[in-house]
Amino acid sequence: KNEVEQSPQNLTAQEGEFITINCSYSVGISALHWLQQHPGGGIVSLFMLSSGKKKHGRLIATINIQEKHSSLHITASHPRDSAVYICAVGRGTDKLIFGTGTRLQVFP
Amino acid sequence: AAGVIQSPRHLIKEKRETATLKCYPIPRHDTVYWYQQGPGQDPQFLISFYEKMQSDKGSIPDRFSAQQFSDYHSELNMSSLELGDSALYFCASSKNEQFFGPGTRLTVL
Repeated sequence: KNEVEQSPQNLTAQEGEFITINCSYSVGISALHWLQQHPGGGIVSLFMLSSGKKKHGRLIATINIQEKHSSLHITASHPRDSAVYICAVGRGTDKLIFGTGTRLQVFP
Repeated sequence: AAGVIQSPRHLIKEKRETATLKCYPIPRHDTVYWYQQGPGQDPQFLISFYEKMQSDKGSIPDRFSAQQFSDYHSELNMSSLELGDSALYFCASSKNEQFFGPGTRLTVL
């Protein structure tokens, strides 16, 4: 069993839909990252969370430390949101452990 | 704000050649991490440095070596390149938490 599990692995949506991607982890962490990667592109950091909730534009990320679970929400999804979304966890300055990613496609 | 800088952004090499990738951390960050992401694969940790000393080692081939210099930038040296080394190599720097560079896309022909 992977230390970081994401669901779903693949997700398709119509433009405007509300999207949720989930991440569960089994190790103790100091922070959880949500990352975005477009096809053939580099990694862009969306959020770094250690507790609670963060919002940036149409993106919202939440984390429940007790349940070892985080969610990434996209409101009013748009085709340009199509990308792979990766959850990664870390303990202080330790190397990150990555989830397998969720491939999102948003159709117009 | 300054971000993590990597160079080059794209690199094409022939089999058995060598390559050097560079990572410039955010100012005052003392830790650098290297990750490799093969086509369609999850990122894999290669190696990290803290205060110019290797701090952790992952699945880095013996053909690869890396170091962190006095100005805290890091270089990943890759020799006897193989087709399977084609990947996105990205680094991250950290003082407390990690920030990612844009990556170097290496293609080995």
